[in-house]
Amino acid sequence: SYVLTQPPSVSVAPGQTARITCGGNNIGSERVHWYQQKPGQAPVLVVYDDSDRPSGIPERVSGSNSGNTATLTISRVEAGDEADYYCQVWDSRSDPVVFGGGTKLTVL
Amino acid sequence: QVQLVQSGTEVKKPGASVKVSCKVSGYTLTEFSMHWVRQAPGKGLEWMGGFDPEDGDTIDAQKFEGRLTMTEDTSTDTAYMELSSLRSEDTAVYYCATVSGSYIQYYFDSWGQGTLVTVSS
Repeated sequence: SYVLTQPPSVSVAPGQTARITCGGNNIGSERVHWYQQKPGQAPVLVVYDDSDRPSGIPERVSGSNSGNTATLTISRVEAGDEADYYCQVWDSRSDPVVFGGGTKLTVL
Repeated sequence: QVQLVQSGTEVKKPGASVKVSCKVSGYTLTEFSMHWVRQAPGKGLEWMGGFDPEDGDTIDAQKFEGRLTMTEDTSTDTAYMELSSLRSEDTAVYYCATVSGSYIQYYFDSWGQGTLVTVSS
């Protein structure tokens, strides 16, 4: 089945830019979605279809996807952005829904 | 916005079954394809299965085949997930989530609050 690879952790200082990657074979041909999960809470969709934001998600959260890597970018990082982030694709292969392993974003 | 409210914490013995409910409010269940995702303690998200948005048939991850049953009661707008032959590795928080998007580009846009299922002798 399709595999999505994320770095276990990313650290960034407040006000800086965080980039969280999601690697997959020719992932640029898929639509990638991103979720934020804070401790003890359910996941929240923050980016869908590579780069679209649901209502209520700030513009400083953005996504891109090309080649073998999709990227979630959070600009002007705040303490409240500290969370786990997961990428996801819906693939036509055996198990259609695939999640990345998750990345813990730490705000220093 | 749709709200999904799940049933409460469960403690089960190995070999038993568990049935978790997910009630939709604000909309009707028939407007959505409901799926189930679980998360073991300290681990990532794991898709279990749900209703195919294209044809309404159930689809599930290969590792759960034969153990997972997903049903819906449209009269009460409630979805159910039943997992049988429980083992300790099934200890996790179980989430229901609704599907949105286009063909094979689907994503989960609303989530329940989660139900903790603990499997222990």
